[in-house]
Amino acid sequence: DIQVTQSPYSLSASVGDRVTITCRASQILNNYLNWYQQKPGKAPKLLIYTTSNLQSGVPSRFSGSGSGTEFTLTISSLQPEDFATYYCQQNYRVPITFGQGTRLEIK
Amino acid sequence: QLQLQESGPGLVKPSETLSFTCTVSGGPINSGSTYWDWIRQPSGKGLEWIGSFHYTGSTYYNPSLKSRVTISVDTSKNQFSLKLTSVTVEDTAVYFCARRKEAAGTDYWGQGTLVTVSS
Repeated sequence: DIQVTQSPYSLSASVGDRVTITCRASQILNNYLNWYQQKPGKAPKLLIYTTSNLQSGVPSRFSGSGSGTEFTLTISSLQPEDFATYYCQQNYRVPITFGQGTRLEIK
Repeated sequence: QLQLQESGPGLVKPSETLSFTCTVSGGPINSGSTYWDWIRQPSGKGLEWIGSFHYTGSTYYNPSLKSRVTISVDTSKNQFSLKLTSVTVEDTAVYFCARRKEAAGTDYWGQGTLVTVSS
């Protein structure tokens, strides 16, 4: 199985901050790395697919980058609605695996 | 606009079989380049992929659950289903059905349904 490790596990930040979350994979993913946002009691929402493609309707303050085994999600200027848990997901090889999540909290 | 709706029991006894159905509306389930996924999330924990049905008819399962899982599709009803046998308390979770396009992410999700395994 491909292991996907997110960091940090949790993060405190303020509105307007720039935030970066990292995802490291145990194998090369050929860019098949996606990012999701999840709020309590809701299904995850796709933000970024295949490393850097912004899903339709997602604000442009979200961006993704990376290659090989290391990937990042960046939020350029945090908004109040961005405080949530973020997950990365690899869909390069079965079994599909998720990172353990990064909880983004208000400072 | 595609919509997915899970239906299934809220409570299952240990050793029994958990059965879920996901009804897809707003588009055909036999759409090309599409996977239909089941994903679960124990309370307060992360996401676990259970398995997928590919539009070609292939199925893919998480090895950790493979011996207990079956995913099937009923194109006449535009539904896909999950069966998980011999459940234990460890199977207590919110279960999501979802759609994933090839070379893209999981873009449509059901609202999620909590299943509790308890005697």
